[in-house]
Amino acid sequence: EAQVTQNPRYLITVTGKKLTVTCSQNMNHEYMSWYRQDPGLGLRQIYYSMNVEVTDKGDVPEGYKVSRKEKRNFPLILESPSPNQTSLYFCASSLSWSGKQFFGPGTRLTVL
Amino acid sequence: DAKTTQPTSMDCAEGRAANLPCNHSTISGNEYVYWYRQIHSQGPQYIIHGLKNNETNEMASLIITEDRKSSTLILPHATLRDTAVYYCIANAGGTSYGKLTFGQGTILTVHP
Repeated sequence: EAQVTQNPRYLITVTGKKLTVTCSQNMNHEYMSWYRQDPGLGLRQIYYSMNVEVTDKGDVPEGYKVSRKEKRNFPLILESPSPNQTSLYFCASSLSWSGKQFFGPGTRLTVL
Repeated sequence: DAKTTQPTSMDCAEGRAANLPCNHSTISGNEYVYWYRQIHSQGPQYIIHGLKNNETNEMASLIITEDRKSSTLILPHATLRDTAVYYCIANAGGTSYGKLTFGQGTILTVHP
């Protein structure tokens, strides 16, 4: 089944404790991106990647890092999480720079 | 991406057609109209997209006016599981670096 998976689905952590949210897709898509969703602000893009070793900032990249060492994986790294990064995070992928994107199920992160 | 305007909320009776409007009066010639929906904090789900012609797939139909300034998503026989937030997005793919700009969307509630 074609899908985008994210882990963990739920995470509660404390300020400053490094964490990684994994994202994996099995559709051989070149394009992957990360969004965060906050009440009243909608979905905002954090980072995107056009292919292996090619990444760039989206609209709200501060406090986040990404890497794309393999085509299928695009982890989101929070090196020193802060409470303002409490949010619902979605990973997405598509065959190219297409508007037809496949989203993961989401990761709900709480930073205390 | 061109700005899109949607009603905040709509109701529909189960089994009836749900017609969701979207205004995109400043859409440019290379921008497609995409529709996504999000069911209760799950990952957004692609529904349909089009450029100029009307489109239909197993989920819905998309009617785009001849001047391309507005469109309507039609769910022909709405069910309770269609209750969701529906997003209309104007996206030009490569020139927007694949970023989808989600607005506030329309909350569709399907009643028994």
